[in-house]
Formats: sequence, C-alpha cells, structure tokens
Amino acid sequence: GDSVTQMEGPVTLSEEAFLTINCTYTATGYPSLFWYVQYPGEGLQLLLKATKADDKGSNKGFEATYRKETTSFHLEKGSVQVSDSAVYFCALKSPRGSARQLTFGSGTQLTVLP
Amino acid sequence: DVKVTQSSRYLVKRTGEKVFLECVQDMDHENMFWYRQDPGLGLRLIYFSYDVKMKEKGDIPEGYSVSREKKERFSLILESASTNQTSMYLCASSPDDRGNSPLHFGNGTRLTVT
Repeated sequence: GDSVTQMEGPVTLSEEAFLTINCTYTATGYPSLFWYVQYPGEGLQLLLKATKADDKGSNKGFEATYRKETTSFHLEKGSVQVSDSAVYFCALKSPRGSARQLTFGSGTQLTVLP
Repeated sequence: DVKVTQSSRYLVKRTGEKVFLECVQDMDHENMFWYRQDPGLGLRLIYFSYDVKMKEKGDIPEGYSVSREKKERFSLILESASTNQTSMYLCASSPDDRGNSPLHFGNGTRLTVT
C-alpha cells in the first residue's frame, strides 16, 4: 500500500539556518503530494502541495519539488525563523483514491532557536 | 475562512465511560474525518463521512463509532473508553471527494483515559 517516510526529528536549528526535511513515498502511479504544518496548540494546515512530477509547491518561503525519479518531496526553506517552530507532516493522496485515502508521514518536530 | 470547531480542548475520562467528541464545520463541506494523532505514528484515520448518515471505516475503527445526523456535525463516540485510547483526536473537513482539496483541521481534543 501507499506509505510516506519522513526524516525523524526532532530537528533544532538556529534562526536564519537552512532547513531540509526529507520525505520519500511509496505509491502506485502518480500521487499528489502535500506538506501540512501544525503549530503549537493548533490543528494541521496545508503548507504547500504538488500534483504532478517536477511541480514545485511553495508558500511562506518554503518549497518542495515533486521528484518522481527519486520518489521524494523534500521540504526546504532558506532561512528559518523562530515562528517556523512546528511539526511538519508530509502526506500523499493516491490518484485512484478518494479524500479518505490521504496517507500521512509520522511528522517532524522543528524547533528554531533565536 | 473555513472553521472547524472541536467542542473540547482537553478531556479526562475514566476507563469504561462512554465518551463523545464533537466537531462542527461551517463551510457546508461534504466530507468529514476523525483522525488520531500519536507521537511517532503521525495521523491515522479512524472514520470518514462523505454525506449525512454515510460513513466509512478508516484504518483504526476498532473501539470507535461515529454519528453524522447533520451535514455540519460529526461526532466520534468511544463506547467504553480504555487507556489505550488516550491520544490527541483531530477532526477535519474537505469540500469534495475529487481533486486535491486540502483538509481543514480543528485544533484537536486531547483525551486522557485513566
């Protein structure tokens, strides 16, 4: 079945450091890929998405490129801020599936220190 | 903005109690979801509803039931709470069962069963 593997956390960075959170997936066909973010005390919210190979999703300075050849969707940000401290979830949606078939990774806790 | 409201942020219940978790969304979304969030396991789907009175089991339905009598409200029921149901519960909604509409999450209910 479909699966998502994220790099284990927690990740601790200093402000203005470069961020990469790795995400790889296993799925049949061409799934849609998502990054969700969960700020402390809140539910998840969509950060960015990509629906086909080589698409780049971007939002709030974060980027991720859908790489079919490496089955990856790594999240990057050039200069993190304290306000980026959160848990980040990679997720995929099967091309055959309904909304229920959204598979989440285990989440990566990011802490940014001033 | 879509608002998904979960009635309680924190709940403490005793083993064997019947527990109701309530969720309301204000955007006339067809789909509603209950997830459970545990450290290292990410989000796991408990139940999904795609219309009033319609429901489907997710990946971990055992020990849970749901009710959707009105479009805007989706309730999760623990018939007889057990300590292994101590967790964070997240409700979500989305507008349709096609394409890549994002899920909109509530802020979660942290349930402790003693």
